[in-house]
Amino acid sequence: EVQLVESGGGLGKPGGSLRLSCAASGFTFSSYSMNWVRQAPGKGLEWVSSISSTSTYIFYADSVRGRFTTSRDNAKNSLSLELNSLRAEDTAVYYCARQESNNWGDFFDYWGQGTLVTVSS
Amino acid sequence: SSELTQDPAVSVALGQTVRITCQGDSLRRYYASWYQQKPGQAPVLVIYGKNNRPAGIPDRFSGSSSGNTASLTITGAQAEDEADYYCNSRDISGIHLGVFGGGTKLTVL
Repeated sequence: EVQLVESGGGLGKPGGSLRLSCAASGFTFSSYSMNWVRQAPGKGLEWVSSISSTSTYIFYADSVRGRFTTSRDNAKNSLSLELNSLRAEDTAVYYCARQESNNWGDFFDYWGQGTLVTVSS
Repeated sequence: SSELTQDPAVSVALGQTVRITCQGDSLRRYYASWYQQKPGQAPVLVIYGKNNRPAGIPDRFSGSSSGNTASLTITGAQAEDEADYYCNSRDISGIHLGVFGGGTKLTVL
């Protein structure tokens, strides 16, 4: 059974840092691109970042580029998101999501339960 | 443009058919995928590709696409289908899956 479990959320101060993790199990983690998607309270889904299976390609949304860093450890089946220079608008539930890519396109087939990040002084 | 546009809210009578649409330039090149999200829960994939359903998704959910518009159709809507629905696609450059629609709140009356 595919499982994605996020952790590391909590209260961060403006200008501060947090590190989120996503533990993957039930599939060959090293074969899949992974993504972070966030959702501010009462708002829609916002893609944050993606990382290819071997970390060759990493992309960020304009809203977080230069402040957030995505990485992965295929030996530990783990995905990470380091959040720096936190802003109030970074307050959201952060989901990790597995990206499937096949003849039928690309999509997020499995999601974690999310971890809440609150940025406040 | 790398934006996807959805109607904010749609309603349907129980047992009737409803179509939720998603418009964007990237849809001329790339398939949309659709996600259902109920309050307090993570999104769930319901449609991907041309018209494919993951295991466990009822066959009342279907997808279609024409030009710059992708559609999610629920034929015979059930009370449990009341949720937010989001479309997603690659951005216009095709580099990543970084584009979500704003979401459609579906109410089943």
